[in-house]
Amino acid sequence: AQSVTQPDIHITVSEGASLELRCNYSYGATPYLFWYVQSPGQGLQLLLKYFSGDTLVQGIKGFEAEFKRSQSSFNLRKPSVHWSDAAEYFCAVGTLNAGNNRKLIWGLGTSLAVNP
Amino acid sequence: NAGVTQTPKFRVLKTGQSMTLLCAQDMNHEYMYWYRQDPGMGLRLIHYSVGEGTTAKGEVPDGYNVSRLKKQNFLLGLESAAPSQTSVYFCASSARLAGGPYEQYFGPGTRLTVT
Repeated sequence: AQSVTQPDIHITVSEGASLELRCNYSYGATPYLFWYVQSPGQGLQLLLKYFSGDTLVQGIKGFEAEFKRSQSSFNLRKPSVHWSDAAEYFCAVGTLNAGNNRKLIWGLGTSLAVNP
Repeated sequence: NAGVTQTPKFRVLKTGQSMTLLCAQDMNHEYMYWYRQDPGMGLRLIHYSVGEGTTAKGEVPDGYNVSRLKKQNFLLGLESAAPSQTSVYFCASSARLAGGPYEQYFGPGTRLTVT
């Protein structure tokens, strides 16, 4: 079955430290992969996406992610975290079901706290 | 260009009452989705639509109905609200692109409390 796992429910980092959020997926075909961010009380905003080509993708707000097919992973990274990065982060994989209807399978999210 | 908008932003219902949540998008997207978000459970798909006049069930459709009479609008109805439907509801839309990618664009959410 298709699934997305975000192993870390909650992560705390110090401002200025580097960050890596993990995402593992289970999907039979070439996946479309996404990272979204949700600030408190807000909707979800797309950070970056991967669908083909270069396995290292750049996103907004200084984030990047690397697709590793051999590890079924799509980890999100940022070299230096800012206090404003405190938020919930969701990884998702795109699927095509039998009717060619496109849905996203979501991880449960990782909550990021940033210490000053 | 407002993107995806949702009304209302907040609502408190008594058990058994009904209500409709409205989602509107101005991006001419074919696909629209309704999710609910509960602590520790991530996003769960309630219903979705692949075009005007079509709807389909997601993973948690019970207790909800939807309609897509116009391409830009997607309505979510609760006929008889229950406390278990207390949640934050998000609407999203995406374009129909051959082969993808097909990122979803989200509205700001509706916080619903059923007492």
